[in-house]
Amino acid sequence: GQNIDQPTEMTATEGAIVQINCTYQTSGFNGLFWYQQHAGEAPTFLSYNVLDGLEEKGRFSSFLSRSKGYSYLLLKELQMKDSASYLCAVMDSNYQLIWGAGTKLIIKP
Amino acid sequence: GAVVSQHPSWVICKSGTSVKIECRSLDFQATTMFWYRQFPKQSLMLMATSNEGSKATYEQGVEKDKFLINHASLTLSTLTVTSAHPEDSSFYICSARDQREGYNEQFFGPGTRLTVL
Repeated sequence: GQNIDQPTEMTATEGAIVQINCTYQTSGFNGLFWYQQHAGEAPTFLSYNVLDGLEEKGRFSSFLSRSKGYSYLLLKELQMKDSASYLCAVMDSNYQLIWGAGTKLIIKP
Repeated sequence: GAVVSQHPSWVICKSGTSVKIECRSLDFQATTMFWYRQFPKQSLMLMATSNEGSKATYEQGVEKDKFLINHASLTLSTLTVTSAHPEDSSFYICSARDQREGYNEQFFGPGTRLTVL
């Protein structure tokens, strides 16, 4: 079966760095996505990795290792507005997105 | 970036009525659109994949006669919740895939919050 695993909840301090991990087992691989979702809102796109390595975009970076079936989202200089759920999703061989359950990130002052 | 709109943003209806939700890709053509449902504090659940000009593909456990999907054009898909009941109250989100060469990102609409009384 297809499976995406990520922690249910994480807590971090404002100004700090947090890493959200995601492991996956899917039928084929056409890229891995990270989305941010604030409560009551639709997800918004953060990053897309299809090749191994680190993609940096401002305070957010995403890493992928296809051989390990592993990715992480790194958030630096955390701000209170970063409190949200972070969704990991893998596009399988049929170009369908397989979603993780999401990681709720709580930022404390 | 590509924009997807959804209408209405929220709707309250009486039990037994039908509700139609529209999903539009505003600045790109989407041969494939997706309909999701999300209950409070739960993850997105894919309901169906909507393909322009053909029947939608429903996920296991989703009643196709209750959730009618029409994808009549490359920019519009509609989801009709027929004979809605309180247990259908949820956050319904559509997404459209931008399938230009080498680009697989899904763009989400803002969602429709349905409350059935």
